[in-house]
Amino acid sequence: QKEVEQDPGPLSVPEGAIVSLNCTYSNSAFQYFMWYRQYSRKGPELLMYTYSSGNKEDGRFTAQVDKSSKYISLFIRDSQPSDSATYLCAMYRDDKIIFGKGTRLHILP
Amino acid sequence: KAGVTQTPRYLIKTRGQQVTLSCSPISGHRSVSWYQQTPGQGLQFLFEYFSETQRNKGNFPGRFSGRQFSNSRSEMNVSTLELGDSALYLCASSFSGGITGELFFGEGSRLTVL
Repeated sequence: QKEVEQDPGPLSVPEGAIVSLNCTYSNSAFQYFMWYRQYSRKGPELLMYTYSSGNKEDGRFTAQVDKSSKYISLFIRDSQPSDSATYLCAMYRDDKIIFGKGTRLHILP
Repeated sequence: KAGVTQTPRYLIKTRGQQVTLSCSPISGHRSVSWYQQTPGQGLQFLFEYFSETQRNKGNFPGRFSGRQFSNSRSEMNVSTLELGDSALYLCASSFSGGITGELFFGEGSRLTVL
């Protein structure tokens, strides 16, 4: 079992829909949770980060962490075609950042 | 402010050869990390350098090595290339690394091994 599991998709949703992206993890040592977005032929860029369980909101994006279930989510409201990208969850432990494989998201106009 | 620059962007090698990839971090950033990205394994951590010292290492064979120079520029080398080394190699810089260091990625060097 990999430390961080993420469904690779692809996930296709119509413009304006709410998108839910998820990751599970197995190691309780993870203490810091992040979401990166990667456009085609580009490097990943940090979207959001959080330390604690609960929700963190930034514009149309909400990151949710449930440490008891070892589950994190990223919600995108009012999705736009420009949100089409690969979304990678990432988690920090022991001076290393471990990434999920990424979920490919397509927003259909 | 210039971003992270990686060279070359694309390269093709044959099995058994070696390759050197270069990374120039954002000015002022002292930490440089290297990652391998493949469709099957995703983004995997290779190593991190901070102030010319390797601070952390992933689970890759010794054929993968790196170094960092006094100006924070970094190089990684892969010797005796194998077909499975075909991947996108990403460099990321941060001011301090560690838990508080947001990673800024370059666009990557895409290596194809024939």
